[in-house]
Order: sequence, then structure tokens, then C-alpha cells
Amino acid sequence: NAGVTQTPKFQVLKTGQSMTLQCAQDMNHNSMYWYRQDPGMGLRLIYYSASEGTTDKGEVPNGYNVSRLNKREFSLRLESAAPSQTSVYFCASIVDTMGYSNQPQHFGDGTRLSIL
Amino acid sequence: AQKVTQAQTEISVVEKEDVTLDCVYETRDTTYYLFWYKQPPSGELVFLIRRNSFDEQNEISGRYSWNFQKSTSSFNFTITASQVVDSAVYFCALSDLNSGYALNFGKGTSLLVTP
Repeated sequence: NAGVTQTPKFQVLKTGQSMTLQCAQDMNHNSMYWYRQDPGMGLRLIYYSASEGTTDKGEVPNGYNVSRLNKREFSLRLESAAPSQTSVYFCASIVDTMGYSNQPQHFGDGTRLSIL
Repeated sequence: AQKVTQAQTEISVVEKEDVTLDCVYETRDTTYYLFWYKQPPSGELVFLIRRNSFDEQNEISGRYSWNFQKSTSSFNFTITASQVVDSAVYFCALSDLNSGYALNFGKGTSLLVTP
């Protein structure tokens, strides 16, 4: 089992470029999440999707859009990248928020994004 | 408002010392869940433990132990006889209904264990 797979692992963009970060899970999980990690800030929630077809904003959604393409995939898009979006991005999933809220989230290995 | 505070930014110990990582949380929900994750230098997030708000039993797993106290809203993590491989950033996190059960992380404590 691959678990949660993120692509790409590394990316360098120029300011103003657009990009989509891909996330896929093979555990049949309903809920998926995108976080960003900045030095000294811990991980902060960008968007989440409690189920296929639904998305909700997290703590830091500005400058991002998401798409829950199907149950497996949850993508994060930067329409016009800014240097402030330089970060490490983590995708995570959990089986179901209702009956299994106490279960740990499964994380991908992260995407390291630099914006010049 | 939901908040997790890890007051210790960095801790440095010598191998075999015991070390406690502090975590204090705030939430308005009566049902919530607490987690500890480890992030080694390689960058991945490794789940260590979860605790439900209605279960205040402490837990020991090998050299790791966790002390959950609702009265002080704390969920502290102790490593006994630390080893160099314990060097990592440790995150405490909280989830509850208000957050859609997303994880609200503390800022992390960087632990360095030297030989």
C-alpha cells in the first residue's frame, strides 16, 4: 500500500506562475486535508474535504484553490504563486470524520515548494 | 477558540537523560482528540499517540510515556533514557468538531539529543 502519495516532491516556481499539487490516497478514506508547514509555525490547515464533492476552508486558504476530483484525489492549486507561499505542503487523509474522529491522520511525504 | 501551545521551542539533552515535552491546549468542545507526531530530519510525519478527551489514563509505550490532565488542559510527553535517534521535531495536535476534525498543531518542539 502506498498510503498517501504527493507529487511532485520538489518544485521551484517564479512569482506569478501557477501550479497544481497532487495528492492521492489508496486507503478508501473519505476525508482529506492540505496543510502547509513554515519554519517555527507548525502545520496550518489550508483546505479540507470531508467527503467527495465537498470542500471547506481552513486557517490559511487565501491564494489557494482545491478540487476533490474523486474519493482518491484531492489537489491544491496556486493560481498566481507568491514568495509568501514558499513552504512545505502536506496532504493527509482519515477514514471518516464522523465515526473515526479519533483516528490519526495519514500524511504524505510532503511537497517542498519554493517561489522566487 | 482552539489552540495548542508548545512553549518549548528547542530542547537539548545528553543521551540517556529523561526529557519532557509540554503541550497545553484550549478548546470549547467537550469531545476532542489529542495527538503527538514526530518529524525526524527526513521530514515525514510519524504518528505517536492519540488520546480521547474522555480517557484520562496515562500511557507508556517503551521509553515513551504520556500524561494527560484535563484539569490543567495538558498532554505532556516524556522520553525516558533519550537516544540520539529521538532527535526530531515533536508536534502536539488537537482535533474537534469545530475544526471539522482537522488537526490544529502546536508550533513544535525541536529536540536534540547529543551523545
